[in-house]
Amino acid sequence: DIQMTQSPSSVSASVGDRVTITCRASQGISNWLAWYQQKPGRAPKVLIYAASSLQSGVPLRFSGSRSGTEFTLTISSLQPEDFATYYCQQANSFPLTFGQGTKVEIK
Amino acid sequence: QLQLQESGPGLVKPSETLSLTCTVSDGSISSSTYYWGWIRQPPGKGLEWIGSVYYSGSTHYNPSLKSRVTISIDTSKNQFSLKLSSVTAADTAVYYCARSHCSGSNCYYNYYMDVWGKGTTVTVSS
Repeated sequence: DIQMTQSPSSVSASVGDRVTITCRASQGISNWLAWYQQKPGRAPKVLIYAASSLQSGVPLRFSGSRSGTEFTLTISSLQPEDFATYYCQQANSFPLTFGQGTKVEIK
Repeated sequence: QLQLQESGPGLVKPSETLSLTCTVSDGSISSSTYYWGWIRQPPGKGLEWIGSVYYSGSTHYNPSLKSRVTISIDTSKNQFSLKLSSVTAADTAVYYCARSHCSGSNCYYNYYMDVWGKGTTVTVSS
């Protein structure tokens, strides 16, 4: 199975801050990685697929990138509605696996 | 717009079988460009993929649950289902059904979940 190691587990930030979350795959997955946002009591919502493709309707302040087996989700200017938990997921092969999650909290 | 809705008992006794159904509306489950899957989230914890089914009936399961899981699809009813046997308290979670996009002529990569149900809470307790 492909293991996904996500960091940090939590981050405290202010509105307007730039926030970066990292996910590392235990083996090569090409560009096949997705990022999700989950708010309390709600289902996850896909933000980014194929490492850097923005899902329709997702604000442009969200972006994704890849360097080898390391993937990054960046929120360029944190907005109040962005305080949530973010998960990465390898989309290369079954079994599908998620990172442990990163909680973005208000500073 | 495609919608998914989970249904099934909210309380299951230990050692019994958990059964959930996901009904797909405003779209067809018989598409070659999607898998249909189940994901769960124990209270206060992260997401765990349980398994996925293709419209043909082909399945993939999480190895950690494979001996207890069966996922099936009924294209005539536009539904797919989850059965998890011999449940324990560790199976208490919110269970989500989701559509998994896929790419390639044989739908063999780029599996990300683009449409989710709202989730249903299942508690395992006597």
